Amino acid sequence: SQKIEQNSEALNIQEGKTATLTCNYTNYSPAYLQWYRQDPGRGPVFLLLIRENEKEKRKERLKVTFDTTLKQSLFHITASQPADSATYLCALEHDYKLSFGAGTTVTVRA
Amino acid sequence: DSGVTQTPKHLITATGQRVTLRCSPRSGDLSVYWYQQSLDQGLQFLIQYYNGEERAKGNILERFSAQQFPDLHSELNLSSLELGDSALYFCASSTGPEETQYFGPGTRLLVL
Repeated sequence: SQKIEQNSEALNIQEGKTATLTCNYTNYSPAYLQWYRQDPGRGPVFLLLIRENEKEKRKERLKVTFDTTLKQSLFHITASQPADSATYLCALEHDYKLSFGAGTTVTVRA
Repeated sequence: DSGVTQTPKHLITATGQRVTLRCSPRSGDLSVYWYQQSLDQGLQFLIQYYNGEERAKGNILERFSAQQFPDLHSELNLSSLELGDSALYFCASSTGPEETQYFGPGTRLLVL
């Protein structure tokens, strides 16, 4: 069956450190993968999209990698700040649909 | 602010009732998506419309239906409501299929 797994439910890190989140998938062949940020009680906000032929994408302090052989994407937040505290969701495209992982909640301590 | 609006923000109703959730997409977006988010299920895709036509369907219950109108706004109808339908319902829009989706603020439904 198809499955999207994000490495852990929660990640606590010190301000200034790098947070690394993992998204693994099985039985999908996505043309692209997206990462979203969601704050409590609010809608997800798009952060980055990476296509199957791209290895890495960056946007300010965010970096995403996509390894279609390992069926894995890594999401990095460098020089983390308390304002980065949120839940981060990965999403895979397939058959005109987006399927989301359960999310990883990141808490950045000052 | 994503530019996607959803009404109402909150809805409290009883089991067996019927409700309608409304979504207005961003200006110029032709695609509308509906999602359900509950604590135990995460964010689940329900249905997608593109320029008035149904484009893709997820695990949407038969008690649920949706449509997209000529002015591109969309409505999600939930009927014979059950306690388990209590969730956040999000609408998202994009310029077209396979483009970045922009999510609305959601409608929080509580079925008592």
